[in-house]
Amino acid sequence: KAGVTQTPRYLIKTRGQQVTLSCSPISGHRSVSWYQQTPGQGLQFLFEYFSETQRNKGNFPGRFSGRQFSNSRSEMNVSTLELGDSALYLCASSWAQGIRTEAFFGQGTRLTVV
Amino acid sequence: AQSVTQLDSQVPVFEEAPVELRCNYSSSVSVYLFWYVQYPNQGLQLLLKYLSGSTLVKGINGFEAEFNKSQTSFHLRKPSVHISDTAEYFCAVGSNTGNQFYFGTGTSLTVIP
Repeated sequence: KAGVTQTPRYLIKTRGQQVTLSCSPISGHRSVSWYQQTPGQGLQFLFEYFSETQRNKGNFPGRFSGRQFSNSRSEMNVSTLELGDSALYLCASSWAQGIRTEAFFGQGTRLTVV
Repeated sequence: AQSVTQLDSQVPVFEEAPVELRCNYSSSVSVYLFWYVQYPNQGLQLLLKYLSGSTLVKGINGFEAEFNKSQTSFHLRKPSVHISDTAEYFCAVGSNTGNQFYFGTGTSLTVIP
């Protein structure tokens, strides 16, 4: 079956703009989590959605937001982009909440802010 | 609080030699430990996980890890590496309140022919 699909794969934006990234989880999966990966900070948890509700949130400013639709697809939005937002954004899906269920990661969206 | 420390940022090793990638964790709650691998321009792939039970965990591609509670460690090992094992390896501890991982900073494994 198809894996986790993230679109677009690459994105270049200008400082001050906003951006929306999309994640389509594996069919049947209801939990979607987002991570930011940078060389300096490594992998950091952004937020988790389950059944259209945000269940967990990491330590990021309010410029970072997300949502999940009834078909489990998720989007994350970053407003007023800063240079430091340049990163690989990874999405992970699993069929249920709880760390005991395996999370599958997408290939990521590489965002460059200039 | 939960956190992970990967003690080596880069590990070069010759092909067919054994390798150990070190990971220490800190957790005040139940411990769920994971090793993920990331190939260039790819997402993360699960190598193995420890949730409970036997402390020696076997994963894919010939990797294994041992959970040591007294030393708060979860080191990853492979007896004989291949060129294709060249990648970034991440140790993570999982939160029992949801699908949230706390990742280490990663170890770059380079296999030298």
